[in-house]
Amino acid sequence: EAGVAQSPRYKIIEKRQSVAFWCNPISGHATLYWYQQILGQGPKLLIQFQNNGVVDDSQLPKDRFSAERLKGVDSTLKIQPAKLEDSAVYLCASSLGQTSPLHFGNGTRLTVT
Amino acid sequence: GDSVTQMEGPVTLSEEAFLTINCTYTATGYPSLFWYVQYPGEGLQLLLKATKADDKGSNKGFEATYRKETTSFHLEKGSVQVSDSAVYFCALSGTGNQFYFGTGTSLTVIP
Repeated sequence: EAGVAQSPRYKIIEKRQSVAFWCNPISGHATLYWYQQILGQGPKLLIQFQNNGVVDDSQLPKDRFSAERLKGVDSTLKIQPAKLEDSAVYLCASSLGQTSPLHFGNGTRLTVT
Repeated sequence: GDSVTQMEGPVTLSEEAFLTINCTYTATGYPSLFWYVQYPGEGLQLLLKATKADDKGSNKGFEATYRKETTSFHLEKGSVQVSDSAVYFCALSGTGNQFYFGTGTSLTVIP
């Protein structure tokens, strides 16, 4: 089965610019997650979707981050404007549901200068 | 809220040594528990899982047992190899299929 696809793989932007990341989950996986992984730390959940509805976005900095999952499949995560502290790897993951494991994409490494 | 506490790293072992990475959790209800591994330059991959108390997850020589009485899910391997060098993350899945990760433990195995 095809895995979780993410793009781009790397992105370098200046602070105050905007950036968008794209994710295509494994076919049939209703639950989709975006995580932020800062170097040396564990993944931190930003937002969780169930189909095209938001389940949890309590840790999403909503003044600058937004995410959508139109039609319950692909998802995009946007940062506008970016700050230096947003430099991290942004991971997308999907899951079939309760007790099922997460399947991760390779992530997008963002560097904000 | 739900959380995972993981053994601090980094850990350096000689090849064929015994490995233990400690993981304890706090959760309401009955979470599922997982170990993920991240090899250099790669994404996170599921290593093993356990969905109820006393379950033992195993894969590639690694094992972990879901201990409800001690709220632990320690990762073990009897004889590590250089190829096991990676960062290991303990995680739990609680109510609403929300996943929480530990901070990761970096393992380096030297020949």
